[in-house]
Amino acid sequence: EAGVAQSPRYKIIEKRQSVAFWCNPISGHATLYWYQQILGQGPKLLIQFQNNGVVDDSQLPKDRFSAERLKGVDSTLKIQPAKLEDSAVYLCASSEQGVTEAFFGQGTRLTVV
Amino acid sequence: GEDVEQSLFLSVREGDSSVINCTYTDSSSTYLYWYKQEPGAGLQLLTYIFSNMDMKQDQRLTVLLNKKDKHLSLRIADTQTGDSAIYFCAEKGAGNMLTFGGGTRLMVKP
Repeated sequence: EAGVAQSPRYKIIEKRQSVAFWCNPISGHATLYWYQQILGQGPKLLIQFQNNGVVDDSQLPKDRFSAERLKGVDSTLKIQPAKLEDSAVYLCASSEQGVTEAFFGQGTRLTVV
Repeated sequence: GEDVEQSLFLSVREGDSSVINCTYTDSSSTYLYWYKQEPGAGLQLLTYIFSNMDMKQDQRLTVLLNKKDKHLSLRIADTQTGDSAIYFCAEKGAGNMLTFGGGTRLMVKP
């Protein structure tokens, strides 16, 4: 079974630039999560989708971050404009509806300079 | 809001047992998890426990849950150098949200 795929693996941008990350969840997984993991900290949930609807985005900085999940499959997370404090690993995870396990991708490491 | 706390660091000798502790605040948690993260890798689910259980054993891993004190622990028996990693405790609360602790770095000395 293929895992959660994310791209790119690494991205370096200058502050005030824009960046987008892509996630392809495990086939059939209805729930998709985006997490931000700052170096030395645990992952923090940014947004959770159930199919193509948003379940929770209370911790998403909506002035600069946006996410969508068209057709309830792939998802993109965008930051516009980026700030230095956005430097982190962005993790995507997916799970089957009603199932306990969430599977994580390898993440995208973003460095804002 | 929900809060999950872990100690930052644990060092053990190869062959010893490791015990990683975690406390949480959300009394409505349904499941509690332990994830492992190796350098440059994503999070790997090690094990989980349902909130109405107090113990779960899976090969070298033993999870203990004290729901009254909101305390979770992960015991790794016969710790190996390959167990060196960061271990995250997480709890699933309302809306199926996963809240993670800050992670415990386990260092295993040969």
